[in-house]
Amino acid sequence: AQKVTQAQTEISVVEKEDVTLDCVYETRDTTYYLFWYKQPPSGELVFLIRRNSFDEQNEISGRYSWNFQKSTSSFNFTITASQVVDSAVYFCALTTDTDKLIFGTGTRLQVFP
Amino acid sequence: KAGVTQTPRYLIKTRGQQVTLSCSPISGHRSVSWYQQTPGQGLQFLFEYFSETQRNKGNFPGRFSGRQFSNSRSEMNVSTLELGDSALYLCASSFGLREYFGPGTRLTVL
Repeated sequence: AQKVTQAQTEISVVEKEDVTLDCVYETRDTTYYLFWYKQPPSGELVFLIRRNSFDEQNEISGRYSWNFQKSTSSFNFTITASQVVDSAVYFCALTTDTDKLIFGTGTRLQVFP
Repeated sequence: KAGVTQTPRYLIKTRGQQVTLSCSPISGHRSVSWYQQTPGQGLQFLFEYFSETQRNKGNFPGRFSGRQFSNSRSEMNVSTLELGDSALYLCASSFGLREYFGPGTRLTVL
């Protein structure tokens, strides 16, 4: 079965701290795509990144970075020097040939000034 | 380009009623997907339409249905509403593998 696990329900940090959000996935498909979305209080899901199963290169985009490791089936997301505007719920998701977006339960990040 | 729009944004219904939600995708996007978000079940895929045909369907009862029109606009319908149908319903249009989400319709069933 396809599954995405985000074990961290809620994380609280103080501004400027680094924070890592964990994501572990399960799939038997060899071709799949992993995503991270941000959901601010307004409710709209904002796309952050997509990774396909054949591309294990880590990626950095500004203060955001992603670590994809197939050996541990993990796709972790790090925010460096967190800011109050980063406060949101973050979802990791998986898409395969057979299943549309399968979301994790989300991690609520609260960044305090 | 304008983003994905959903109407209405908020809706209150009573048990047993039916409801229709609307989604207008980004211009040029032919695929529309619907998701339900609840505190208990999280984000769950409902169905996907492409060129007026249902391409994928999640594990929801037959009370949940949808359709897509020739202009790619989509509607979803929930009949015989139950309290548990209270949720945020998100629509997403996609081009390739990236989905663009709308702001959602928050449905409250009393």
